Amino acid sequence: AIQMTQSPSSLSASVGDRVIITCRASRPIDNNLDWYQQKPGKAPQLLIYASSNLHSGVPARFSGTGSDTDFTLTINGLQPDDFATYYCLQDYSYPNTFGQGTKLEIK
Amino acid sequence: EVQLVQSGPEVKKPGESLRISCKGSGYTFSDHWVAWVRLMPGKGLEWMGIIYPGDSETKYSPSFQGQVTFSVDKSKNTAYLQWGSLRASDTALYYCARRGEYYDTGRGYFFPLDSWGQGTLVTVSS
Repeated sequence: AIQMTQSPSSLSASVGDRVIITCRASRPIDNNLDWYQQKPGKAPQLLIYASSNLHSGVPARFSGTGSDTDFTLTINGLQPDDFATYYCLQDYSYPNTFGQGTKLEIK
Repeated sequence: EVQLVQSGPEVKKPGESLRISCKGSGYTFSDHWVAWVRLMPGKGLEWMGIIYPGDSETKYSPSFQGQVTFSVDKSKNTAYLQWGSLRASDTALYYCARRGEYYDTGRGYFFPLDSWGQGTLVTVSS
């Protein structure tokens, strides 16, 4: 199975900051990488698919880049609503696999 | 509007069986794979596997193969996750999610999990 290594596991930041989360695949996955946001007590929500495509309704301060093995999620101008846990997911091959998650907390 | 609605919380004893459900609406249920995802207390999301309602084809993660069973009832637009004999370690929140289909010009099709159920909490305790 493809392993997804996500970093950092936790991050403290302030409103207005720029935050970068990375995911590395154990082997190339082309652009088949998605990013999800999960808030406590809520279901995950799709933010970005195909590495860089913003899902409908997601604010433009979220962006994604990368291909093959290295991917990043960037949040420009953190808003209070963005403090949550973020996961990457490779859907290139079965079994699909999530990164370990990044908990984004308020500094 | 695409919606997935899951069955309510369950409290079971070790060794008991259980089936939880996920009902889709707002789209053609048979046309989209349904994934199951586990969230254990204090842990991250785990992809358990996926089922295609059109023909019940399944793909299990090796970590869950033989431990759970996926099924669907197309007439009810419902997918199921089943355990034959629960363990305390099955205590978790379980999500179903629809695998969407998106076309990107120049890059082809992509299949993210674009709609999620609200989750079903399963507690296994003696």
